[in-house]
Amino acid sequence: GAGVSQSPRYKVAKRGQDVALRCDPISGHVSLFWYQQALGQGPEFLTYFQNEAQLDKSGLPSDRFFAERPEGSVSTLKIQRTQQEDSAVYLCASSLLGGTDFQETQYFGPGTRLLVL
Amino acid sequence: EDKVVQSPLSLVVHEGDTVTLNCSYEVTNFRSLLWYKQEKKAPTFLFMLTSSGIEKKSGRLSSILDKKELSSILNITATQTGDSAIYLCAVVRLTGGGNKLTFGTGTQLKVEL
Repeated sequence: GAGVSQSPRYKVAKRGQDVALRCDPISGHVSLFWYQQALGQGPEFLTYFQNEAQLDKSGLPSDRFFAERPEGSVSTLKIQRTQQEDSAVYLCASSLLGGTDFQETQYFGPGTRLLVL
Repeated sequence: EDKVVQSPLSLVVHEGDTVTLNCSYEVTNFRSLLWYKQEKKAPTFLFMLTSSGIEKKSGRLSSILDKKELSSILNITATQTGDSAIYLCAVVRLTGGGNKLTFGTGTQLKVEL
């Protein structure tokens, strides 16, 4: 596709429910990033994939958060036993290479707005 | 701890005004600084700055990096209502896992008629 797409765009979950958020990066992009953006805040890094390898998961807030990218393309962010503090917009971004080339730009998807009641 | 601070947090101006948004940073292994515009959707890329003192320009928007002062400004001239958005500054730093972006909280700009 032309850009990064995410689904669903909106998700309402009851506290304790598991959710799965999907990201389709730009075709051919090697690197994929997940961010969490709370209301009134800038995006905060969660995790980073280069192809199917998860190279950095230092931003995942707890072991309830899990991300995968099994074939190096589509990625899923899963949140188990959701809590109210998980309510946020979850943004996915991709870049063509993303290794050590700092000239790269990350392109963002529209985000999934998660509300945990 | 890496830090990116933007000011002001919010701003209301009238169409035609010129605005200057500020971003300062303290990060290790700085590589570049990015500006994004975020409306009610994905942040869209505006500028990437890597060299100090070189202005990047796109239409009514321009930005410059000052590595000595660890800061950047984003200027918007002759503002229009369509410029209303959150403007995000992010710093790219190199980590063992590749490039990592650290964002500021953003400046919310509202342009009124």
